[in-house]
Amino acid sequence: AQTVTQSQPEMSVQEAETVTLSCTYDTSESNYYLFWYKQPPSRQMILVIRQEAYKQQNATENRFSVNFQKAAKSFSLKISDSQLGDTAMYFCAFTIQTSGSRLTFGEGTQLTVNP
Amino acid sequence: DGGITQSPKYLFRKEGQNVTLSCEQNLNHDAMYWYRQDPGQGLRLIYYSQIVNDFQKGDIAEGYSVSREKKESFPLTVTSAQKNPTAFYLCASSTSGTANYGYTFGSGTRLTVV
Repeated sequence: AQTVTQSQPEMSVQEAETVTLSCTYDTSESNYYLFWYKQPPSRQMILVIRQEAYKQQNATENRFSVNFQKAAKSFSLKISDSQLGDTAMYFCAFTIQTSGSRLTFGEGTQLTVNP
Repeated sequence: DGGITQSPKYLFRKEGQNVTLSCEQNLNHDAMYWYRQDPGQGLRLIYYSQIVNDFQKGDIAEGYSVSREKKESFPLTVTSAQKNPTAFYLCASSTSGTANYGYTFGSGTRLTVV
């Protein structure tokens, strides 16, 4: 079975600082895709960043970047220059090629950015 | 604008009643999904459909039913057999038969049993 673990239920950071959210996953497959989703208080799920497992280069989207360690099965999200609007629940997720179209999600990390 | 519309936003159900949650998309996506969200448990897959007139059970399908008669629509019925239906329900869609580019989500329906 494919699993995703987010070990930090809650985190907080001061505005303008950097924070890293952790995610580990378990799969025996070699070809898969990883994602971070953001769910703000509106509860609308928003795709933050995507990583292809066969690419060694870490994905980056503006202030958001990942540290993808394939051997360790780790996929952490770094948020630089944190803003109040980054306050949200963050979910790590992945899909494997043989799962059809299923995404498996972690339990989520509630991030609060303090002024 | 293309997107996914879930309705209603809030729904109240009396014990013993069936209720249906609506999900409509105009993205021309082939695959559609229903997830349930509970505090501390992330998103759990209820049902998914990769083509019209076909659907598969997810991890927590008991007490739920779906239909996929049209590409645009994937309604979820929460039956009286679902023992703990109070939750936030999310509908999503994806192109083709994979999730390699992730999902597009609706804005959700909050179901409460009264």
